[in-house]
Amino acid sequence: EVQLVESGGGLVQPGGSLRLSCAASGFTFRDYEMNWVRQAPGEGLEWLSYITSGGSTVYYADSVKGRFTISRDNAKNSLYLQMNSLRAEDTAVYYCGRERMNAFDIWGQGTMVTVSS
Amino acid sequence: DIQMTQSPSTLSASVGDRVTITCRASQSITTWLAWYQQKPGKAPKLLIYKASSLESGVPSRFSGSGSGTEFTLTISSLQPDDFATYYCQQCKSYSRTFGQGTKVEVK
Repeated sequence: EVQLVESGGGLVQPGGSLRLSCAASGFTFRDYEMNWVRQAPGEGLEWLSYITSGGSTVYYADSVKGRFTISRDNAKNSLYLQMNSLRAEDTAVYYCGRERMNAFDIWGQGTMVTVSS
Repeated sequence: DIQMTQSPSTLSASVGDRVTITCRASQSITTWLAWYQQKPGKAPKLLIYKASSLESGVPSRFSGSGSGTEFTLTISSLQPDDFATYYCQQCKSYSRTFGQGTKVEVK
């Protein structure tokens, strides 16, 4: 079964850090571009970051540029999002998504990140 | 950055209705547009890619059209399972922006 499973979410204080992981299975992970998307409570979807299949090119939304870092380990079939200098407005469900034909065809179930003191 | 604007924000409809949602891009994205359906507490689900291509397994009552800056998602005959929130997304620029969403609710 083609699947993405996120982990690493939780409660963190403002200014803190968290590393999210996305484990891929059921497909050849190294062949696909990947993305991170988040959704604040009661809000819409916000694209955060993109990485090419080999990891050489990355892009970020302005809202997280300089604070978040996307990376991947193709040997471990895993995608990561290192989140630093977290703010209350970063509170959201974080999803990873596989990109195919310039659309996100497979999504994980999401992991909740809460930034609060 | 390319901005995506959906209308309406909320749509009230009945089972069997024909439903149309519009998405406008702030600049041309040719046909690099996708549509997603999301239900509460669930991850989004891809419906349409490249403006009009139906994702495998998606019912044929869903269709997409448009190019450039104006796009539509049409549900030909609304079914009970279709009450959800729908998002458009552009994938032309490196910033893969989503629209703000359209909630389809029971009339």
